[in-house]
Amino acid sequence: AQSVTQLGSHVSVSEGALVLLRCNYSSSVPPYLFWYVQYPNQGLQLLLKYTSAATLVKGINGFEAEFKKSETSFHLTKPSAHMSDAAEYFCAVSEIPFGNEKLTFGTGTRLTIIP
Amino acid sequence: DTGVSQDPRHKITKRGQNVTFRCDPISEHNRLYWYRQTLGQGPEFLTYFQNEAQLEKSRLLSDRFSAERPKGSFSTLEIQRTEQGDSAMYLCASRGTADNSPLHFGNGTRLTVT
Repeated sequence: AQSVTQLGSHVSVSEGALVLLRCNYSSSVPPYLFWYVQYPNQGLQLLLKYTSAATLVKGINGFEAEFKKSETSFHLTKPSAHMSDAAEYFCAVSEIPFGNEKLTFGTGTRLTIIP
Repeated sequence: DTGVSQDPRHKITKRGQNVTFRCDPISEHNRLYWYRQTLGQGPEFLTYFQNEAQLEKSRLLSDRFSAERPKGSFSTLEIQRTEQGDSAMYLCASRGTADNSPLHFGNGTRLTVT
C-alpha cells in the first residue's frame, strides 16, 4: 500500500531564508508524487508534480522538489521564503499508471514565516 | 477553465439530519473524486467516478454516505442521519484522462454537525 510521511507538522523560517519541507513515500511501484498547498478555508492548489520524467521538478511560486528513489524522498524547497508562503503543505503519492486512482496524502506541514 | 466548484461552502446541521453537497468538475474532466479532511489531517479518499460509473469506494464511506454522478458531469454526496463525527471539510476534485494529469480541487464544503 502506498503511504506518505511528512516530517515536522510545523516549520518556521525567517523571511528570506531557505524553506525545506520533508516528504518520504512508500510505494510498491514507481510512484507519481505531488506537493499541494492549502490556504485557510480553501481547497488544495497544486504546487508541482513528479510523473517519472526529470527528477528535479520546478513548480509555481519558486518552489521545487527533487525525487530521490534511493532515499524514497521528495522534499520541497524554496531558496528564499516570502510572507505569502505561510500555509499548509501536503505531499501526496499515487499509483495511477498501475490502476490505483487513489491519491494518498501526508498529514501536512504548517509553514510559518517570521518577519 | 472555471475550476472545480462546490456548493455550499458551509453547512451547519443538527445531528440526525440529512445533507447533500454538490460538485461541478472542470468541464472536460471525466474523473471525479471526493475526499474528506478533518482538522489537522490530510485529505482522505472517499470515492471516485469515471464518467458516471462509481469505480471505487473507501471503507470510510459508511452506509450513511452515498455519492452519485448521474450524467457524468456534476456529482452529489449525501450523508444521511448525520453524526458529530461527520464534521469535516468535504473536498471534490477532478482530473483529465492522461495518467499524469493532476487532481484539481474545489474549495470544499465545510460541514458542522451540532
